[in-house]
Amino acid sequence: EVQLVESGGGLVQPGGSLRLSCVESEFTSSTYWMNWVRQAPGKGLEWVANINQDGSEKTYVDSVKGRFTISRDNAKNSLYLQMNSLRAEDTAVYYCTRGSTFDIWGQGTMVTVSS
Amino acid sequence: AIRMTQSPSSFSASTGDRVTITCRASQTVGSFLSWFQQKPGKAPQLLISTASILQSGAPSRFSGSGSGTEFTLTISRLQSEDFATYYCQQYYTYPITFGQGTRLDIK
Repeated sequence: EVQLVESGGGLVQPGGSLRLSCVESEFTSSTYWMNWVRQAPGKGLEWVANINQDGSEKTYVDSVKGRFTISRDNAKNSLYLQMNSLRAEDTAVYYCTRGSTFDIWGQGTMVTVSS
Repeated sequence: AIRMTQSPSSFSASTGDRVTITCRASQTVGSFLSWFQQKPGKAPQLLISTASILQSGAPSRFSGSGSGTEFTLTISRLQSEDFATYYCQQYYTYPITFGQGTRLDIK
């Protein structure tokens, strides 16, 4: 069974940085687009960014453009989200998900931006 | 951005009921529409993609229909494990957007 496991969340001050990681268990993710989706406490789902199979195409929601960078290392079966200039409104559980249909999700990692 | 609006936002039903949730898009999304189920403290799970294709492992009591701007998710006979929040999502164009969610509670 394919599994995605996120890590790297935590408490960070406004203006700080964090790097999230997502590792896939079965070495299938290199053939898929990959996504990051977030969910603020008690709120709905928000797509954040995605990346194509070889990392040459990346797309972001407007609210994170210029601050977040999605990347991948297929040799390590890993997806990343570098988050800079963090704001309170970035506080959320961050999920990595597989493919254009989001068919597999990780368990999520919590990011809290607070002083 | 395409706005996805679900109705109702919440409602109560009983085990065995047939329920329908509607999702409307502010402009056409073709059939690039998915439905997800989320239980408290858990990650969402894909139920239906391409408006009507049931995901492998999803129970057959779930079905989806629609195209263009109006879509429905139907649960034919509610089971106890179906009480959850449901989200529609369009992946026709960027930014990919979700509906606000429909919370389904036990009556």
